[in-house]
Amino acid sequence: DTGVSQDPRHKITKRGQNVTFRCDPISEHNRLYWYRQTLGQGPEFLTYFQNEAQLEKSRLLSDRFSAERPKGSFSTLEIQRTEQGDSAMYLCASSPQGAGETQYFGPGTRLLVL
Amino acid sequence: KQEVTQIPAALSVPEGENLVLNCSFTDSAIYNLQWFRQDPGKGLTSLLLIQSSQREQTSGRLNASLDKSSGRSTLYIAASQPGDSATYLCAVPPKETSGSRLTFGEGTQLTVNP
Repeated sequence: DTGVSQDPRHKITKRGQNVTFRCDPISEHNRLYWYRQTLGQGPEFLTYFQNEAQLEKSRLLSDRFSAERPKGSFSTLEIQRTEQGDSAMYLCASSPQGAGETQYFGPGTRLLVL
Repeated sequence: KQEVTQIPAALSVPEGENLVLNCSFTDSAIYNLQWFRQDPGKGLTSLLLIQSSQREQTSGRLNASLDKSSGRSTLYIAASQPGDSATYLCAVPPKETSGSRLTFGEGTQLTVNP
């Protein structure tokens, strides 16, 4: 069990640029979640997938954000035209089927928009 | 809308003390409640998950209790050690949705001094 992995771990970009993050869940988990965490706050839910279907999106996920999980395995989160307010830690988690199961988190991708 | 509150926001104790962290939530219709640990700049590590039908769960020096009717949970840490220094987060999934997106508190930052 290699756990949830995320790439890159850190990203510095200039305002207006596009960035893409990748998440590889635990292999047998069919649910995958994205959260965003700013300094001193708890994580906030962004979106989640069951297999390749995106089943829920938070209102936090503006039109500049898009997430995909094309084959039900890894997922990508893209932010277009980044803004300074997008600076945060982006966390990915996965869980097996079944509501209320433990979610296993990756190490996160820390984004800094200059 | 579910709201999760954690008290205190920060706690500093000498090594060896027993301590209690508090979590409250506004909507008692939950599947379960999870406690996580987060080290600075890292992802989240699941500590304990209490199902809605349970009243407590134990793992080593950690004991978590759940009182759904009053919307409260506590995390008890016995004989604290410097290695326990971290931020502790509680989180609940909603019961009415098929997914299990988590709503987090803002965390309690614990420092255990040697």
